[in-house]
Formats: sequence, structure tokens, C-alpha cells
Amino acid sequence: GDSVTQMEGPVTLSEEAFLTINCTYTATGYPSLFWYVQYPGEGLQLLLKATKADDKGSNKGFEATYRKETTSFHLEKGSVQVSDSAVYFCALYFGNEKLTFGTGTRLTIIP
Amino acid sequence: DTGVSQNPRHKITKRGQNVTFRCDPISEHNRLYWYRQTLGQGPEFLTYFQNEAQLEKSRLLSDRFSAERPKGSFSTLEIQRTEQGDSAMYLCASSPQESPKNTEAFFGQGTRLTVV
Repeated sequence: GDSVTQMEGPVTLSEEAFLTINCTYTATGYPSLFWYVQYPGEGLQLLLKATKADDKGSNKGFEATYRKETTSFHLEKGSVQVSDSAVYFCALYFGNEKLTFGTGTRLTIIP
Repeated sequence: DTGVSQNPRHKITKRGQNVTFRCDPISEHNRLYWYRQTLGQGPEFLTYFQNEAQLEKSRLLSDRFSAERPKGSFSTLEIQRTEQGDSAMYLCASSPQESPKNTEAFFGQGTRLTVV
């Protein structure tokens, strides 16, 4: 079945560092891909998405490109801030009417 | 509208007791989803509704679990004869269209269940 494999955490970075969180997927076909973020004490929020190959999703300085050839959707940000500290979930949707999530990556940014 | 609302936020119950959680989706959202999230894991799909119709149930949803959405608005998730393995965060999400492919699923803050 469809699945998402996400970079294990936790990840700790200094402020203004470059961030990459890896995500690869397995699906029979071409799913839509998502990154969700969960800030402390809050619900999951959509961060960005891409619905077809080579699409780039972007929001709040974060970017991810849908790579069909490598079945990947890695999350990147050029300069992280303390306020980016959260848990990040990669997810996919493909025709089965539900989102399938990765295990999440906890990110901590140190001032 | 302030988003998806879940109640209670926290529930502690003794093993063997029944519990019921409520989810109020964003108004006029047709789709409503329930997920379960255990520590260190991503959300796992449990079930979803299109209006009042329950269209799919995960194998994770044992016979002790039941969900309803009687009027196509709020939904309840009941767990009977709770077990310690039921301890988790239960998440509700709603979506304004027929699938999350082209639109966002909005999540509530969840109900954290602890079975002692």
C-alpha cells in the first residue's frame, strides 16, 4: 500500500542554519504530496503541498519539490528561526480518500 | 468560525470504561476524518464521513470503536471497554470538498486519551 518514509529525528539546528528534512514515498501512481506542521500545543497545519511531478510547494520560506524520479518530497528552508521549532509530517494522498502520514520529525532551533 | 473543535482536550479513564469524544468541523465542510496518533508516530487513519455517511473504516477500528455523524455536522467517536493500548491522541479533521487532493484538510487540536 501507499506509504511515506520520513527522516528520523529529532533534529537540532542553530538559528539561521539550512534545513533539510527528507521524505520519500511509495505509491501506485502519482499522489499529491504534503508537508504538515504541528507547533507545540496546536493542531496539524498544512505547510505546503504539490499535486504533480516537478511542482514546487512553498510557504513561510519553506520549499519542497515533487521528484517523481526519486519519489521524494524533501522539505528545505534556507535560514531557520526559533519559531520554526515544531514537528513536521510528510503526507501523501492518492485516490483512497485519506492522507497517509510519515512518522514526523521533531525540529528544535537553538538561538 | 474558529476552526475544527474537539472536546474534551484531555480524558483520563480507567480500563474497561467507555469514553466518547466530540468533533465539531468547520461549518459546511462535507468531509470529516478521524485519526489516531500515538507517541512518536504520525497520524493513522481511522474513519471518514461524507456528510452523514461513513464511507470507510480502517482495520485499526476494532468492534469496540464506533463513530457517528448523525446530521452531517458534528461527529462522535466512542470507545467501549477501553484498553491501555487505546491511549493516544485522537485527531479530527474536516475538508470542504470531496477529497483532500486539491484542498486542505483542517485539523483540530485533538483529544488526548489516557487509559489507566
